[in-house]
Amino acid sequence: EPEVTQTPSHQVTQMGQEVILRCVPISNHLYFYWYRQILGQKVEFLVSFYNNEISEKSEIFDDQFSVERPDGSNFTLKIRSTKLEDSAMYFCASSDPFRQDALTHTEAFFGQGTRLTVV
Amino acid sequence: RKEVEQDPGPFNVPEGATVAFNCTYSNSASQSFFWYRQDCRKEPKLLMSVYSSGNEDGRFTAQLNRASQYISLLIRDSKLSDSATYLCVVLRDDKIIFGKGTRLHILP
Repeated sequence: EPEVTQTPSHQVTQMGQEVILRCVPISNHLYFYWYRQILGQKVEFLVSFYNNEISEKSEIFDDQFSVERPDGSNFTLKIRSTKLEDSAMYFCASSDPFRQDALTHTEAFFGQGTRLTVV
Repeated sequence: RKEVEQDPGPFNVPEGATVAFNCTYSNSASQSFFWYRQDCRKEPKLLMSVYSSGNEDGRFTAQLNRASQYISLLIRDSKLSDSATYLCVVLRDDKIIFGKGTRLHILP
């Protein structure tokens, strides 16, 4: 069964350093997402990406964050200068572009996450 | 007001019981609706989509009321393995929005 894969599974970084979280979405999917979940809290939307551009982003996704699809398979999240409060589980997700009708959309499939610890 | 609201629980129910979760969403432009399940420290996994006419998948039944902006999930004959956090999820434009989740503990 196709799946979303994320690497690394755990990343420890020093405050102020740049990190890149990597994701390989399901191959025929065209919508990509990044979410984060601080321990014990809700899953928070960061950004969605379609047709090589950001289609939606949240207020969390400030200038410190960027996303890229450098090739046909990878989807990356970069945090330029990490802060302690960036410590969280980061989930990548992808979904199929096929819209069954004007009101529906297929579900998103999530990777297993990257646990980012900023020290 | 949060865009997707759920009772955080926890719901502690005995094995074999029926349990129901409710969720409300505030934005009438919301397009699609899902229930996801999340086990501790794992990624959310799709449990089921929610269709306007209601739908069932084995022991799980989902209902949608667009007029009241309300989604429900019913679990019948609950099993120990159903213990998890259940996330109400709404798609609006290209944004998937999660509720905080409802924690369910099934007691032997």
